[in-house]
Amino acid sequence: GAGVSQTPSNKVTEKGKYVELRCDPISGHTALYWYRQSLGQGPEFLIYFQGTGAADDSGLPNDRFFAVRPEGSVSTLKIQRTERGDSAVYLCASSLTRGAGANVLTFGAGSRLTVL
Amino acid sequence: SQQGEEDPQALSIQEGENATMNCSYKTSINNLQWYRQNSGRGLVHLILIRSNEREKHSGRLRVTLDTSKKSSSLLITASRAADTASYFCATDVNDYKLSFGAGTTVTVRA
Repeated sequence: GAGVSQTPSNKVTEKGKYVELRCDPISGHTALYWYRQSLGQGPEFLIYFQGTGAADDSGLPNDRFFAVRPEGSVSTLKIQRTERGDSAVYLCASSLTRGAGANVLTFGAGSRLTVL
Repeated sequence: SQQGEEDPQALSIQEGENATMNCSYKTSINNLQWYRQNSGRGLVHLILIRSNEREKHSGRLRVTLDTSKKSSSLLITASRAADTASYFCATDVNDYKLSFGAGTTVTVRA
């Protein structure tokens, strides 16, 4: 597509529920990133995919968080047993090659997650 | 953890004035980027400056980089209402991971 598409744009859920957030990157972008942005803060790195594999998942806060990219395009961030502290905007970004430092990230509009 | 820190946290200026914000970081970098985020939207890339560059221009934007002081500045000249947004600097932790600061919120008054 023309840009990075994220769905849903807003998700309200109850504590303890399971949530899936979807990201559709720019066509042809091999690198895909998930970041989390809390209110008043900058984005924090969660996970990086190069193709189908998660090359770095060191930013995932705990084992309730998991992400997949089975065909090297669309990615899904999965959160189990949600907690109120998971409330944030989850941003997806993609880039043409693996080098974020030498390449520009194109971000989606984000998925705002609210856990009641 | 976030490496970059922007200063000031918030800035309010009159349309037509210049806006300057600063970013300080802790460790050596290869590149530094600036992004803009309008309320409720994703981040949009503005400009990238490499560690061997000292100044870069893009339209009404001017970015400087001082690697000896580990700092960068973003200047927006002749500001417009549409420049109202949050501005973030991002440094490369490695060749794929960016570390963002907490951002500077700029309000341009008509």
